[in-house]
Amino acid sequence: QVQLVQSGAEVKKPGASVKVSCEASGYTFTSYDINWVRQATGQGLEWMGWMSPNSGNTGYAQTFQGRVTMTRDSSISTAYMELSSLTSEDTAVYYCARGPPNWGFGDYWGQGTLVTVSS
Amino acid sequence: QAVLTQPSSLSASPGASASLTCTLRSGINVGTYWIYWYQQKPGSPPQYLLRYKSDSDKQQGSGVPSRFSGSKDASANAGILLISGLQSEDEADYYCMIWHSSTWVFGGGTKLTVL
Repeated sequence: QVQLVQSGAEVKKPGASVKVSCEASGYTFTSYDINWVRQATGQGLEWMGWMSPNSGNTGYAQTFQGRVTMTRDSSISTAYMELSSLTSEDTAVYYCARGPPNWGFGDYWGQGTLVTVSS
Repeated sequence: QAVLTQPSSLSASPGASASLTCTLRSGINVGTYWIYWYQQKPGSPPQYLLRYKSDSDKQQGSGVPSRFSGSKDASANAGILLISGLQSEDEADYYCMIWHSSTWVFGGGTKLTVL
């Protein structure tokens, strides 16, 4: 069955970077985009960007341009999202979600990774 | 003004129907967009429900009951998620989403209470 398994919770200091992983299984990793969405506690969903595991092409939300990098290691079917220059405003749960071709995304989601930014 | 606006909360009784709206900002024509809908329960990731563009262009999520359906109100420039035969398990947050200006945009979400 399709699964997206994310790395564990992180605590970071302001100004640091965080790298969250998303390991895919149960399907051909390179056939589906991976999107990243975050959600601050008690708040709504915020789309961060997408990556094609096949080509490595990416597209980022303007809010995160220059601060986010999405990469992959196809040999281990894993996508990564790195966010730099962290502030307390980046404290949130970060989700990866699969995007079928010519479709939106979110038929499958990771379990979420809590990133806490605190001094 | 936000691209997508959803009422923050809605209450309805078990067995009744609930109509959740997702209003597009003026100047963005709902008729040209696929509207995606997600359900999120506390402590869990969102779950895809369905997407709707027109009565001939729509897709139900795998395993999603048919009592969840999509539509549009062109006069209100809004997408609608209709949930019929409400059950207690439908109590959740609901988000709409569109692809606009090369970006996926979410509405702020509606908290549906079934009581």
